[in-house]
Amino acid sequence: QLQLQESGPGLVKPSETLSLTCTVSGGSISSNVYYWGWIRQPPGKGLEWIGSIYYSGITYYNPSLKSRVIISVDTSKNQFSLKVRSVTAADTAVYYCARHNEGQQLYEALHFWGQGTMVTVSS
Amino acid sequence: DIVMTQSPDSLAVSLGGRATINCKSSQSIFFSSDNKNYLAWYQQKPGQPPKLLIYWASTRESGVPDRFSGSGSGTDFTLTISSLQAEDVAVYYCQQYYTTPFTFGPGTKVDIK
Repeated sequence: QLQLQESGPGLVKPSETLSLTCTVSGGSISSNVYYWGWIRQPPGKGLEWIGSIYYSGITYYNPSLKSRVIISVDTSKNQFSLKVRSVTAADTAVYYCARHNEGQQLYEALHFWGQGTMVTVSS
Repeated sequence: DIVMTQSPDSLAVSLGGRATINCKSSQSIFFSSDNKNYLAWYQQKPGQPPKLLIYWASTRESGVPDRFSGSGSGTDFTLTISSLQAEDVAVYYCQQYYTTPFTFGPGTKVDIK
C-alpha cells in the first residue's frame, strides 16, 4: 500500500528557508509512470499547487512561487523534497505531498496524498 | 492562469437527498486530441488530506461509492451526490490539470440539513 509522509520543521522564522521532505513507501519514486507533487493549504483556506517533479528531476512550478521554490528528488532514499526560501507569514500552511495518477505525464489528477504537515512562519 | 469557480459556496441536504455542486473554468479544459476533460473532484474532511473522487471529469476513482458522479465538458462541470450519507459531510474541490499552474476551485461545503 502506497504511503507518503511529509516531514520537516513545524516552525520557520520569517526570511528563512522552509524545507520539507516526502518519504514514499510501498512504491518506487523511480517509476516512470508517475509525477510527484507538492500542494499547500493555508489555515481555513483552499488548495494551491506548488509544483511537481518526475523521477528524472524534471520539474514544473507554480509561477507565483517559482522564484522562491526548489523541488528535488532523491531516488536512492525514495524521497522528494521542497524548499521555499525567504518565507513570510503568507507561507503558513499545511503542506501536502502527493502522487499524480499513472500516465507518464504531468497532466494527471493528484491520486495519493500524504497526511500533510503544518508549517508556521513566525519569529 | 485558469480560474476555477464553484457554486454554491455551501449547501445543506437532507440525508438521502441529492447534492449538486457546480464548477466552472475560465477557459476550456477539454483536449480534443485525447477527447478528455482535465478536471478532477476531491473530497476533504476536517483534519484530513483531500481524497480524489473523480478524474477526467467523470471517471470514478476505485473504491468511491457510485452515488458520486461527475459530468460536464469544456468549461462547465458538475459533481452529484445522488443520495447523501452522513459520511459525505465535507468540502468538495474541483481542480483543472489541463495546464500549469494547476488550479483548484474555492471549495463547496456540504452539510446535512
